[in-house]
Amino acid sequence: DTEVTQTPKHLVMGMTNKKSLKCEQHMGHRAMYWYKQKAKKPPELMFVYSYEKLSINESVPSRFSPECPNSSLLNLHLHALQPEDSALYLCASMSGSGLTGELFFGEGSRLTVL
Amino acid sequence: DAKTTQPNSMESNEEEPVHLPCNHSTISGTDYIHWYRQLPSQGPEYVIHGLTSNVNNRMASLAIAEDRKSSTLILHRATLRDAAVYYCILILGGNTPLVFGKGTRLSVIA
Repeated sequence: DTEVTQTPKHLVMGMTNKKSLKCEQHMGHRAMYWYKQKAKKPPELMFVYSYEKLSINESVPSRFSPECPNSSLLNLHLHALQPEDSALYLCASMSGSGLTGELFFGEGSRLTVL
Repeated sequence: DAKTTQPNSMESNEEEPVHLPCNHSTISGTDYIHWYRQLPSQGPEYVIHGLTSNVNNRMASLAIAEDRKSSTLILHRATLRDAAVYYCILILGGNTPLVFGKGTRLSVIA
């Protein structure tokens, strides 16, 4: 199983809603990532979890709250988002070490904030 | 900061080789060169990586200049399915995460 599964594939939410994005992998990878991608732009790193601990937060606003309940699961909790937060949110997990490891990406969750 | 420079776009004819260049003049001795690609409506996927020597795998070849200041991703026979944005990324010595630059959008013409 070499898949990273993201749910939901599409999400529409209002600015006052609370929702969550979910990411799951069963490859035994111990590093997991959240990226945000706007249309026609490269993915931007948001968070990195290593061994279930948050190791990198790229100055992401607190309305995005990541969580890693176990080594297979990564969540991104969303609250009080703005329309400009509409984007494709990509989850990835890494095999091996940082220098030579390979990132496996999910297909993403496309978020629309109204 | 993107530490790599790639052309914004390239075009290739189907079944011809494609050479995608990447400049990384500030590379240091322990930095690895990784390539990913992102097909339309999909997440990025790993293509290949290398340090000093040229590398081959089932998807592509990576040619690294002797001074390591540039590299070239080679697709030996482009197909329509190879149309994607190709990202050249440096993984810096230490435990730094993958940071994407702007990439090259490859179009393949039938």
